Amino acid sequence: QSVLTQPPSVSGAPGQRVTISCTGSSSNIGAGFDVHWYQHLPGTAPKLLIYANSNRPSGVPDRFSGSKSGTSASLAITGLQAEDEADYYCQSYDTNLSGSYVVFGGGTKLTVL
Amino acid sequence: EVQLLESGGGLVQPGGSLRLSCAASGFTFSSYAMSWVRQAPGKGLEWVSTFSNSGGGSTSYADSVKGRFTISRDNSKNTLFLQMISLRAEDTAVYYCAKCSGGSCYGDRFDYWGQGTLVTVSS
Repeated sequence: QSVLTQPPSVSGAPGQRVTISCTGSSSNIGAGFDVHWYQHLPGTAPKLLIYANSNRPSGVPDRFSGSKSGTSASLAITGLQAEDEADYYCQSYDTNLSGSYVVFGGGTKLTVL
Repeated sequence: EVQLLESGGGLVQPGGSLRLSCAASGFTFSSYAMSWVRQAPGKGLEWVSTFSNSGGGSTSYADSVKGRFTISRDNSKNTLFLQMISLRAEDTAVYYCAKCSGGSCYGDRFDYWGQGTLVTVSS
């Protein structure tokens, strides 16, 4: 059971727009911690896609965008391409009485139809 | 170009030990916090441990590995380590080395990752 909740899967046809949600709580996203997104192809190194809620690292296409509101965040992909088929993870921080620690969503598998 | 290369994975019996290494290049290693993240077969990413440069060097661990895993680093050799003891079947995973974008990983992102090394705990 992941601290951050993502849909297990989403799908879309080439050229379409898809969104992936990431739902947290008042101890993580709602506490003001930033949300970061990663793209992961099995057998490869995960890649930072969006950082600090809505910022793209150099080299990431502007088809990818992120947003955050309250205790949730979203990743949007427009103009879907076959190469976008991958697993996507959100990441933030959580803090409780025992300390603070990194938390990930359970991951969302994107299928390009 | 930032490169992170993990090594040291393999097959180990339950209760055994293993030491993972992560050789870093392409950036000033001593200036950045570093972490280990793992992915069990068919599962998602799970944070394992972080070595932060803040406060003279602090370490943090996931509850699932606390007391069994030890993170360390050798800045003179640009290398991050993860010593794992009392290994369990549930520790079976690909272990990734990840660079934080600052000296502390607090609230921060992992801007570079290695390709991972597979640890299999089985009799």
